[in-house]
Amino acid sequence: GAGVSQTPSNKVTEKGKYVELRCDPISGHTALYWYRQSLGQGPEFLIYFQGTGAADDSGLPNDRFFAVRPEGSVSTLKIQRTERGDSAVYLCASSLNAREQYGYTFGSGTRLTVV
Amino acid sequence: AQSVTQLDSQVPVFEEAPVELRCNYSSSVSVYLFWYVQYPNQGLQLLLKYLSGSTLVESINGFEAEFNKSQTSFHLRKPSVHISDTAEYFCAVSEVYGNKLVFGAGTILRVKS
Repeated sequence: GAGVSQTPSNKVTEKGKYVELRCDPISGHTALYWYRQSLGQGPEFLIYFQGTGAADDSGLPNDRFFAVRPEGSVSTLKIQRTERGDSAVYLCASSLNAREQYGYTFGSGTRLTVV
Repeated sequence: AQSVTQLDSQVPVFEEAPVELRCNYSSSVSVYLFWYVQYPNQGLQLLLKYLSGSTLVESINGFEAEFNKSQTSFHLRKPSVHISDTAEYFCAVSEVYGNKLVFGAGTILRVKS
């Protein structure tokens, strides 16, 4: 597609529930990134995929968070047993390859609210 | 590890006045530097980047930033701002050949008429 698409744009869930956030990157972009932006802060790195594999998941805060990219295109960020502290905007970005100089293209994000 | 400090959380300025948004970074290795902009209700967009070469980089809409290695700074400047420049601006750094960006907390630029 023309840009990075994230769905849903907004998600409200109850504490303890499971959620999935979807990212559809730009066609042909092999690198895909997830970031989390809490209120009043800059985005924080969560995980990076090169192709189908998670090349760096050092930013995932704990084992309740998991992400997949089974066919090297669409990615899903999965959060189990959600907590109120998980409330944030989850951003996805893609780039042609892993080298930073090509720059990321960010999606508009999914705003997750845990009540 | 890298870190980024944006010294001002909000910068109010009148239309057609000059503006500087400050950014300092910390890193033990060589870095690439970026400025991203987020307009109201929109996603992050790359404004400009420093990778190598000339330390002064420019955007298509009149912003410029200068990489100062000795002061570990990458301040963003514009000589005359417009109402439409109202947005949140994020400075970011990555290791050369690294795979992730480290962002500052952002600076909200409010341009007043």
